[in-house]
Amino acid sequence: GENVEQHPSTLSVQEGDSAVIKCTYSDSASNYFPWYKQELGKRPQLIIDIRSNVGEKKDQRIAVTLNKTAKHFSLHITETQPEDSAVYFCAASKGAGNMLTFGGGTRLMVKP
Amino acid sequence: NAGVTQTPKFQVLKTGQSMTLQCAQDMNHNSMYWYRQDPGMGLRLIYYSASEGTTDKGEVPNGYNVSRLNKREFSLRLESAAPSQTSVYFCASSVFRSGNTIYFGEGSWLTVV
Repeated sequence: GENVEQHPSTLSVQEGDSAVIKCTYSDSASNYFPWYKQELGKRPQLIIDIRSNVGEKKDQRIAVTLNKTAKHFSLHITETQPEDSAVYFCAASKGAGNMLTFGGGTRLMVKP
Repeated sequence: NAGVTQTPKFQVLKTGQSMTLQCAQDMNHNSMYWYRQDPGMGLRLIYYSASEGTTDKGEVPNGYNVSRLNKREFSLRLESAAPSQTSVYFCASSVFRSGNTIYFGEGSWLTVV
């Protein structure tokens, strides 16, 4: 089955700096890659996703890049703010009708 | 449109007691899921229901049972609670044939003493 590894497990940055979280996946057939943000005591919520027919997707301060050849994808957060502090989960699946496999999560701390 | 709602939000059980976590979604999704999240840990799939009338085991099914009551509702039952089942439980749903974006409920905090 699919295996998703996520790094780093914790990341501390200064407010205003950029943060990058990386995930690798094992199944080359995977074609859907969402990212979830979980604030303390809250539910995981989808923040951005990418499909394998595109290499990059942006939404304001967040972007996701995908390298299908290397089987890895990354979340980029620019101009970090304290409210970006949360746990971020990546995931991968082979698309419609298939299960999502989650990475282990990254705890991002943005220091004011 | 409430999305995914689950009850109760908090529960304390004694070892050996049973209880059922209830979950309902109003997004007309076909697939529903139960995950558990231990402190500082990731999401582990307990059971899922790909469509009404079907249920399948996930990564950590031991000690749990599920019922897909209808398209909207998916319950999780602990028959004889153990301290190792102290966790936060998330119900989730997704449109079966559309990219697998999963929408989570708010979580149920369960403590077994």
